[in-house]
Amino acid sequence: GENVEQHPSTLSVQEGDSAVIKCTYSDSASNYFPWYKQELGKRPQLIIDIRSNVGEKKDQRIAVTLNKTAKHFSLHITETQPEDSAVYFCAPRPPSGGFKTIFGAGTRLFVKA
Amino acid sequence: ETGVTQSPTHLIKTRGQQVTLRCSSQSGHNTVSWYQQALGQGPQFIFQYYREEENGRGNFPPRFSGLQFPNYSSELNVNALELDDSALYLCASSSSGTSGGARNTQYFGPGTRLTVL
Repeated sequence: GENVEQHPSTLSVQEGDSAVIKCTYSDSASNYFPWYKQELGKRPQLIIDIRSNVGEKKDQRIAVTLNKTAKHFSLHITETQPEDSAVYFCAPRPPSGGFKTIFGAGTRLFVKA
Repeated sequence: ETGVTQSPTHLIKTRGQQVTLRCSSQSGHNTVSWYQQALGQGPQFIFQYYREEENGRGNFPPRFSGLQFPNYSSELNVNALELDDSALYLCASSSSGTSGGARNTQYFGPGTRLTVL
């Protein structure tokens, strides 16, 4: 089955700095790579995703990069703001036939004002 | 907001009791997945329902069971509750193709916080 690891588990940055979170997975068949943001007491919300035919995707201050050969993908947040403080989860998923979604353990991001 | 709703919001039960949690999927979605999220951890996949049938299950015992209805809403039932069942239970809806493969984006409900005493 899929083994998913996130690093770091905790990340503290100064407001305006960049933050990078890496997700490593084991199932080479995975072809969908989302990142979720979960604020305290709230539901996970999809913030960006990428599919295996694309190497990079950007949405304003957030970007995701994918390295299928090395089996990892990363979340990049630029110009961080205090409201970016949350727990971020990756959840790589294999294609049809792989119904189980395995979430990483999460990265707690603190953005200091 | 995602359009996915769950009820109840909070629930307190005692060991050995049974509980039913409910989820209404987003309009147009035919697939519901259930997750258990313990404090400080990532969501753990319980099972997925597609077209009223379970078509994927995580490492949870049989006392965790579910249903999906013709309108694609779903229930999660947990029998013989244990203290370790205390967690946030999340459902997520998505749309799937004819094989039920969950290739598309999942949208989460707000969750049900279950406390077992």
